[in-house]
Amino acid sequence: NFMLTQPHSVSESPGKTVTISCTGSSGSIASNYVQWYQQRPGSAPTTVIYENNQRPSGVPDRFSGSIDSSSNSASLTISGLKTEDEADYYCQSYHSSNQGVFGTGTKVTVL
Amino acid sequence: QVQLVESGGGVVQPGRSLRLSCAASGFTLSRWNMHWVRQPPGKGLEWMSVISYDGGSKNYADSVKGRFTISRDNSKNTVYLQMNSLRVEDTAVYYCARDRAGGMRGFDYWGQGTLVTVSS
Repeated sequence: NFMLTQPHSVSESPGKTVTISCTGSSGSIASNYVQWYQQRPGSAPTTVIYENNQRPSGVPDRFSGSIDSSSNSASLTISGLKTEDEADYYCQSYHSSNQGVFGTGTKVTVL
Repeated sequence: QVQLVESGGGVVQPGRSLRLSCAASGFTLSRWNMHWVRQPPGKGLEWMSVISYDGGSKNYADSVKGRFTISRDNSKNTVYLQMNSLRVEDTAVYYCARDRAGGMRGFDYWGQGTLVTVSS
């Protein structure tokens, strides 16, 4: 089964930059779009990146996404880190016709 | 505004059944594919199931295939998840989510979730 693996946690100081990786277990991660969701405690997830690198309206440009086919991974970068960015982040893609899969999740801590 | 409201969660014994509902408003449900996603307490998100806009196509995660059934009634603006033969490991918050336009581009709206607890 296709899996997406993320680091369990990352932490950084306010104003700094963090990058979260999302590595596909097989196939090509570039075969389907990758999305990224932010989830704060007690709330439903919200989209911060869709279609690999697109930001929904209202999401600040401090959030950016990319795909690296050579490492079969996607990345979410948060620059100018703010305390409000502290949350869990999940990548998401597909491994067959409309059968979704989520990454293992990464907890971002702003020191 | 788009709104998704799940209901039907609760405490149920292992082996029993439960049906979840997702009431949609603020958009034309019959034009959108819909998904169910779950999250066990303290754990990550797990995609469960998808149903096409007209109910003609459905897909499931391997972990629930044969036990869960997704359906919809567009006239009632509601999507359902029938869960049979429930297991302790099915304990989770269950979210419904709308497919982003164009398909296979993630989910653009989520409900607030409904908690299902499977316990004897």
